[in-house]
Amino acid sequence: DVKVTQSSRYLVKRTGEKVFLECVQDMDHENMFWYRQDPGLGLRLIYFSYDVKMKEKGDIPEGYSVSREKKERFSLILESASTNQTSMYLCASTLAPPGLAGGPDTQYFGPGTRLTVL
Amino acid sequence: GESVGLHLPTLSVQEGDNSIINCAYSNSASDYFIWYKQESGKGPQFIIDIRSNMDKRQGQRVTVLLNKTVKHLSLQIAATQPGDSAVYFCAENKDNAGNMLTFGGGTRLMVKP
Repeated sequence: DVKVTQSSRYLVKRTGEKVFLECVQDMDHENMFWYRQDPGLGLRLIYFSYDVKMKEKGDIPEGYSVSREKKERFSLILESASTNQTSMYLCASTLAPPGLAGGPDTQYFGPGTRLTVL
Repeated sequence: GESVGLHLPTLSVQEGDNSIINCAYSNSASDYFIWYKQESGKGPQFIIDIRSNMDKRQGQRVTVLLNKTVKHLSLQIAATQPGDSAVYFCAENKDNAGNMLTFGGGTRLMVKP
């Protein structure tokens, strides 16, 4: 069975801390994405990566950075956590960019990490 | 600006009835649309997609309709079941390369027994 896993389901951090969120997929997917999900706002793209060591900014990259050293792993980093970064963080992966392959089996999300910054 | 939105934040239907969830989009260049289902405590799950060269696509108990004239997308669920209770999101590809998706705010579907 295909799997996208995230390192933590729940995380509580303090303002100013450096936070690492890890995502691992076992499907040999090329593309990986980090979103945050807030009530009424849907999913907003933070960063994505289409290859190892490659990254692209999404809609809301400010305050975040990412790392893709291995194909299966995509890390989201909050350099100095702030209370407005309290949110649900979702990782996703696709074999090809959404919209190009378009197959129903190519898009997978992890279970999410609920981060609270105090 | 570009936006993907939903008309109703909450939809309540009787078990066995058909459900229709609507979505409006504003980017006429979008050529790919997806519906996701998100159950409590889980990540979004792909339901069905449609390309702009189609106006209808059917899956198992689900149908997506695309009206490009009015930039409207809908998800129809036949014979709604309690297991269909979830939040449903529509998404559109943001750029022609298909690398980014723009998601709507979500509609919560509640199925009454």
